[in-house]
Amino acid sequence: HVQLVQSGAEVKKPGASVKVSCKASGYTFTDYDINWVRQATGQGLEWMGWMNPKTGNTGYAQKFQGRVTMTRSTSTSTAYVELSSLRSEDTAVYYCARGRVSLVEDTYYYSMDVWGQGTTVTVSS
Amino acid sequence: EIVMTQSPATLSVSPGARATLSCRASQRISDNLAWYQQKPGQAPRLLIYGASTRAAGVPARFTGSGSGTEFTLTISSLQSEDFAVYYCQQYNNWPLLSSRMYTFGQGTKLEIK
Repeated sequence: HVQLVQSGAEVKKPGASVKVSCKASGYTFTDYDINWVRQATGQGLEWMGWMNPKTGNTGYAQKFQGRVTMTRSTSTSTAYVELSSLRSEDTAVYYCARGRVSLVEDTYYYSMDVWGQGTTVTVSS
Repeated sequence: EIVMTQSPATLSVSPGARATLSCRASQRISDNLAWYQQKPGQAPRLLIYGASTRAAGVPARFTGSGSGTEFTLTISSLQSEDFAVYYCQQYNNWPLLSSRMYTFGQGTKLEIK
């Protein structure tokens, strides 16, 4: 059974950092990207960036450049996202999502087909 | 940055009726578009990728269409479990390493009329 299991809820003070984990099981961890997406309460989905677990290559949304770091441990099939200099606006549910490449009629398409259960991060003084 | 605009923000439809949700890209993205469904308290669920290909296990009443800048998700004969929020997402420039950006639309809430 393919699944992504995330770490538990976090409460942080403004200016601190938070690191959320995402443990993959049921598939070969290095064969698929991991994306991170967040969602503030009552708001839409916001893509933060992607990571290739095989190479460690990453790409971050411009909004998070300089504040976000995505890493992984291939030995434990776990991806991590760390967000620094936290502010109240970073309060949200953070999701990891597997990036899948599908071939349809000679064309490759990308999608996020498996999602973690979400991790609530609260930033409050 | 490519901006995705969904309309309407809220759509009220009766069970058994058809729902049509729209998504517009600020620049051409070919068919590099996915649709997701999200229910309260749950993670999003992939419905459609490549603008029109249903993901595994997605009922045939979900149909995606469009290319370029205009996209549509149609749900025929709405079931009670279909009332949720729907998001479109573009993934243009894939797989170019340095310029991958996966922008979401702001969502359409499909509610019971």
